[in-house]
Amino acid sequence: QKEVEQNSGPLSVPEGAIASLNCTYSDRVSQSFFWYRQYSGKSPELIMSIYSNGDKEDGRFTAQLNKASQYVSLLIRDSQPSDSATYLCAVNMPLRTSGTYKYIFGTGTRLKVLA
Amino acid sequence: EPEVTQTPSHQVTQMGQEVILRCVPISNHLYFYWYRQILGQKVEFLVSFYNNEISEKSEIFDDQFSVERPDGSNFTLKIRSTKLEDSAMYFCASSELQSNIQYFGAGTRLSVL
Repeated sequence: QKEVEQNSGPLSVPEGAIASLNCTYSDRVSQSFFWYRQYSGKSPELIMSIYSNGDKEDGRFTAQLNKASQYVSLLIRDSQPSDSATYLCAVNMPLRTSGTYKYIFGTGTRLKVLA
Repeated sequence: EPEVTQTPSHQVTQMGQEVILRCVPISNHLYFYWYRQILGQKVEFLVSFYNNEISEKSEIFDDQFSVERPDGSNFTLKIRSTKLEDSAMYFCASSELQSNIQYFGAGTRLSVL
């Protein structure tokens, strides 16, 4: 069974701080990694995608990927109360027949940004 | 901005009844997916669909489930005889050819009584 592991939290950080969210995955075949934000009762919303080792920055968000250690992380700088949500790590799994992918999701980390 | 749309937003049904969940994927996307999320649990892959046929399905996607693209825009998930444990959020997603970013709809909350 291919797994994606995340700490379920809650992770509480004060407003303005850096929130650090981590994810490990078990299948070395995976090549693409995604962070989604999910507010309660809502659909997952894509925050970041990352495909290569290293850091990728987009505004207040930085995704970090280390394929050798099989982990991917998300840093949120200057955290705001509106960032309070569950952050889902998703790892792609190639599908044999169609040439596309399915996502394996982690359980998500609940982030609380305290005003 | 193009988006995946799902209807209805909430479906209540009696156990044993058939339900059809509807999705309109992003117009230039060719790959379609259904996922489900039981309350408090992780998002789980159900099925992928490409070129008018199922590409892959999970163990969850048993004989009571079926998918269809009845016309050029809709993509449906049918559950033939619902069970209590089918109660969940069902998300439709789509992706472009050669791209593996999947965009999710707002979901349909299915409540089986």
